[in-house]
Amino acid sequence: QKEVEQDPGPLSVPEGAIVSLNCTYSNSALQYFMWYRQYSRKGPELLMYTYSSGNKEDGRFTAQVDKSSKYISLFIRDSQPSDSATYLCAMTGANSKLTFGKGITLSVRP
Amino acid sequence: DGGITQSPKYLFRKEGQNVTLSCEQNLNHDAMYWYRQDPGQGLRLIYYSQIVNDFQKGDIAEGYSVSREKKESFPLTVTSAQKNPTAFYLCASSTPGATSTDTQYFGPGTRLTVL
Repeated sequence: QKEVEQDPGPLSVPEGAIVSLNCTYSNSALQYFMWYRQYSRKGPELLMYTYSSGNKEDGRFTAQVDKSSKYISLFIRDSQPSDSATYLCAMTGANSKLTFGKGITLSVRP
Repeated sequence: DGGITQSPKYLFRKEGQNVTLSCEQNLNHDAMYWYRQDPGQGLRLIYYSQIVNDFQKGDIAEGYSVSREKKESFPLTVTSAQKNPTAFYLCASSTPGATSTDTQYFGPGTRLTVL
């Protein structure tokens, strides 16, 4: 079992839809969770960061963590064409090394 | 502006040649990282350095070398021993132990193509 599994894509939704992106992990030592957004041919940019179970909201984005189920999600409300990108989940424990999911490519159709 | 710069943006290399990718940061971060990104495989860690003059191998270090002589700079050399060097290379930095808990910030990347 891979340490981090991310739902495969690609994902295509109409503008205004609610998008749910998900990752699962197997190592309970992973404590800090991030979502990165990567536009084509660019470096990833940090979108959300959280370390506790529950929800964290930032504008149209909500990061959800369920440590008991080893499951994290990113929700995007009122999705826009500008949200079209690859989304990577990432997590780390005490050793400071990030483990990434493979990424999912999202396309929001106007 | 604070940030991470990588150069060049595109790089072409002939088989058998070594090539060095540049990474510079002015964020005053202690730690720096090199990743390789291939389609469908996510980011894989090549090397990382948590302090000047020290670095460790990541998951796929074979065929690569690094140096960390200055806090701001972490160049990556792709040697002729790397069998499949064509990829998108990303540099990142972070501050270990800070309250942001090792959140890594990425540069814009270098796309290396071996001809």
